[in-house]
Amino acid sequence: DAGITQSPRHKVTETGTPVTLRCHQTENHRYMYWYRQDPGHGLRLIHYSYGVKDTDKGEVSDGYSVSRSKTEDFLLTLESATSSQTSVYFCAISGINSPLHFGNGTRLTVT
Amino acid sequence: AQKITQTQPGMFVQEKEAVTLDCTYDTSDQSYGLFWYKQPSSGEMIFLIYQGSYDEQNATEGRYSLNFQKARKSANLVISASQLGDSAMYFCAMRESLEYGNKLVFGAGTILRVKS
Repeated sequence: DAGITQSPRHKVTETGTPVTLRCHQTENHRYMYWYRQDPGHGLRLIHYSYGVKDTDKGEVSDGYSVSRSKTEDFLLTLESATSSQTSVYFCAISGINSPLHFGNGTRLTVT
Repeated sequence: AQKITQTQPGMFVQEKEAVTLDCTYDTSDQSYGLFWYKQPSSGEMIFLIYQGSYDEQNATEGRYSLNFQKARKSANLVISASQLGDSAMYFCAMRESLEYGNKLVFGAGTILRVKS
């Protein structure tokens, strides 16, 4: 298995609260990604990183921010959680021109 | 515009038979890659197979093969000799030019159920 860990695995939070999800890798890969999975939509890219402190927006970035201060960690923050952000969040890593390898996902419920 | 289209929301196949999962894509890039992932009910995403746009041979990995028809912009996954453990959601994905950051765009997925 690719060395990638997501935490927490499950979280329930209230509308309006900030939430941070963590992705940690031990593979020293350059690229890291945050996707969300919703029925009927497959996986949609939220943000990605192509190096330390280098990040860019994906398809569904509104309401999310990210930070990557070290190669191994990529944080996803929901500034003020909304019910529409209830989803399963996947972190992924890859080297250049290689497949993405995914973490086990975080199930987030916003009540 | 939809970049990856998987037109089969659900499929059934009899154990030991072959099944084809459809995927069409849309890109104007000459250099791109196509991927298939499997997601069993446990939720993890498992990489299955990759096809580069310049690869002349169809990719194969064990019982998985990718039927790549460039002119039709299709990249169908063929699973031979289906097993009960193949029951899962299958996602087709595309990576366009590397200048876009090695990102993958996913289709909506196809749920495959293998019957005994």
